[in-house]
Amino acid sequence: GQNIDQPTEMTATEGAIVQINCTYQTSGFNGLFWYQQHAGEAPTFLSYNVLDGLEEKGRFSSFLSRSKGYSYLLLKELQMKDSASYLCAVTAGGGNKLTFGTGTQLKVEL
Amino acid sequence: DAGVIQSPRHEVTEMGQEVTLRCKPISGHDYLFWYRQTMMRGLELLIYFNNNVPIDDSGMPEDRFSAKMPNASFSTLKIQPSEPRDSAVYFCASRRTGGYRYEQYFGPGTRLTVT
Repeated sequence: GQNIDQPTEMTATEGAIVQINCTYQTSGFNGLFWYQQHAGEAPTFLSYNVLDGLEEKGRFSSFLSRSKGYSYLLLKELQMKDSASYLCAVTAGGGNKLTFGTGTQLKVEL
Repeated sequence: DAGVIQSPRHEVTEMGQEVTLRCKPISGHDYLFWYRQTMMRGLELLIYFNNNVPIDDSGMPEDRFSAKMPNASFSTLKIQPSEPRDSAVYFCASRRTGGYRYEQYFGPGTRLTVT
């Protein structure tokens, strides 16, 4: 089976940096996704990591350590519109069957 | 380009009734996924298709749920009979082979309420 843990809620200030952690336990790990989901909307793709290391994409960066079963999503220069749920998901045995964590609800305050 | 289209957006039905949810994937995408999202269980994969063929249906909760994909541009998820515990948001997603980093594109979802 697969087990994914991420914090339930986080609060941060506009303009600041926030790191959302995700730990996982799975056999046959293939890769790890981060998705963003605004309330009442569909999830949208942010990143996909297969190899160890940091990948940067604008204000968002994602890190993966396969040996530690650990990933984080780093959001810089926070904006109010970044208030959303951030979902960590892993795949095993291929890139199609995603298992999602329960999500981290991020609230950005003034 | 049109994204993934789902209908209806909202469905309210009584326990015991049949419910059919519909999805049109993005043109050219050969993978289609059905997910269910609840507060308690989060986002769960129910079933996915490749080239209209069901590949993995291990997430389908029970025999009351069935899914079909008669052609590349249409899929249905049917619940018969429906129960209150089926109340959830059902998402359809699609992607294409060779797409960037296995990115799946989600539709807007169908919010199902079973009373």
